[in-house]
Amino acid sequence: SYVLTQPPSVSVAPGKTASISCGGNNIGRKSVHWYQQRPGQAPVLVLYHESDRPSGIPERFSGSNSGNTATLTITRVEAGDEADYYCQVWDTTTDHPRWVFGGGTKLTVL
Amino acid sequence: EVQLVESGGGLGEAGGSLRLSCAGSGFTFSSYEMNWVRQAPGKGLEWVSYISSSGNMIYYTDSVKGRFTISRDNGKNSLYLQLNSLRAEDTAVYYCARVGARVGDGFDIWGQGTMVTVSS
Repeated sequence: SYVLTQPPSVSVAPGKTASISCGGNNIGRKSVHWYQQRPGQAPVLVLYHESDRPSGIPERFSGSNSGNTATLTITRVEAGDEADYYCQVWDTTTDHPRWVFGGGTKLTVL
Repeated sequence: EVQLVESGGGLGEAGGSLRLSCAGSGFTFSSYEMNWVRQAPGKGLEWVSYISSSGNMIYYTDSVKGRFTISRDNGKNSLYLQLNSLRAEDTAVYYCARVGARVGDGFDIWGQGTMVTVSS
């Protein structure tokens, strides 16, 4: 089965840049989506198809995807960006397609 | 306003059943693929099940196959998840989520979640 690997935690100072990785076998060939989940709230889509931003998501959020790693990058980090972040792909490598989430990364703003 | 509202969660006994509902509003429900996603306390997101816009394609994660059934009623703008043979490990917040309009889109709208607690 397809596995997505994220670092459990990332810390960054306010105003700096945070990068959150999402590793998977040939993930560069897949379309990757990213979600932000603040404590006690439902997830929110922040990037789809690697780098497209839904309406209302700041330009500070961007993404890339190549080889075995997709990356979510948040520039000029703010206190409000502190949350858990999850990557996601649609896995069609077996007879039973399924959505796969990474384990999540807790972003701490120092 | 586009929104999804789940209901039906609560306390269930191991081996028992629950039925979750998700009501969509503010959009053409019948045009969108839908999913259930769960999150155990303190854990990450786990995809549970998918249903196509017409209901003719359905997928499940392995751990719920044969126990859970996803369905939808487009006339009522509603999505359902029937949970049977409940296990302690099914304890989680269950979210319904809409797939965006383009092929391969992510989940652009989520409900607020409904808690399911299974007592053993």
